[in-house]
Formats: sequence, C-alpha cells, structure tokens
Amino acid sequence: TQLLEQSPQFLSIQEGENLTVYCNSSSVFSSLQWYRQEPGEGPVLLVTVVTGGEVKKLKRLTFQFGDARKDSSLHITAAQPGDTGLYLCAGFMDSNYQLIWGAGTKLIIKP
Amino acid sequence: NAGVTQTPKFQVLKTGQSMTLQCAQDMNHNSMYWYRQDPGMGLRLIYYSASEGTTDKGEVPNGYNVSRLNKREFSLRLESAAPSQTSVYFCASSRHQPQHFGDGTRLSIL
Repeated sequence: TQLLEQSPQFLSIQEGENLTVYCNSSSVFSSLQWYRQEPGEGPVLLVTVVTGGEVKKLKRLTFQFGDARKDSSLHITAAQPGDTGLYLCAGFMDSNYQLIWGAGTKLIIKP
Repeated sequence: NAGVTQTPKFQVLKTGQSMTLQCAQDMNHNSMYWYRQDPGMGLRLIYYSASEGTTDKGEVPNGYNVSRLNKREFSLRLESAAPSQTSVYFCASSRHQPQHFGDGTRLSIL
C-alpha cells in the first residue's frame, strides 16, 4: 500500500507566526503537488515540484521536495488569516499514473 | 470559464435508494476521476477514466459504478445507497497533471 503521511493534521496559530507542514512516504514520486482547499470548494493546485531538492516559492509559501523524492514540506512565513484552509499534498507515480494523497492539514490562522 | 461542473451540489438519500452524480468538463481533458473525501482521510479514488471509452477501479470502488459517456462527461452511480457512502464526492479532470476539481457533491445517506 502506498502511503503519503501528512503532518500535522490540524494547526491553529496566530497571525504573523511561521509554520511548516510535512509530507513523508517510503515511496519515490516523480513529482509532488500541493493543493489548497477552501470550504465548499474543490482543491486547487498551488505548486508542483519535480526535481529532488527543488525549492519553489509562492509569495510567503516555500515548497521543498526532498533529495530522494520521498518527502516534501510547505513552509509559510508570517501567516495571514487568508492562508486559512485545508492543505493537501499528492505524490504522482509514473508506474501507474496515479496520485497518492495525504490526509490533509487543516490550518487556521487567527487574527 | 466553467472548468469542471458537478451536479447536484447537495443530496439527501434514504438507504437503498439509487442516484447518479453528474460531472462535465470543458477543458478537453482525456482523463477524469471520481474521489470521495471524508474527514481525516484525504481524497480516496473511487474510479477513473484515462480516456474516452475506458474506466478503471481506484482504491474504493465497491458500491459504485461509473460511465464515461463521452470525452466531456463522467458519471458516478450509487445503485443501493448505504450510510457508509455519506461523503463529499469530487470529480476531477486532467490532460496529464495536475488535476482540476469541481466543487463537489455533498451526499448524505440516512
């Protein structure tokens, strides 16, 4: 069974704080995607990382793909209430063209 | 710019009733997917269709059937609904990656 473990499941912090969300697996992925989902809507892609060690930045969000392409992290600097949402990671496997999804991190940023 | 459209948005069924969830995409994508999302469990793939005319089982196919009607439309059918099928159902489509999602159907089985 291919698993992608995402942690923490829930995080509630004050505006201005920093945070990191982790996705870990024993499987190697050809790419890893991060999505954000707001209540009543479907997930929306934030970024795709493809190369081991790759770092991508999206304003205050920094995404990193592990060197071995088995893990990834999302770091948010100076979190804002607008960052509130469910963050999902998903690893893509070339072997079966399937996405393996993490369980999600529910993030609440309090003003 | 509709993207992926799911109908209905909400539905309440009684145990044993049948229902078809509809999904249509206007992005000319080959692949389409049905997921269910339950609290703390992320997205679980029910069925997918890599191209028009083909369908394959995902992680949790029991109790569901699908039809890829044409390139645009992919429907999910519950033949005899059970309370365990209470969930939020998402349809997605893609050319390769990433996947584009609809806004979901919230289904309650009483």
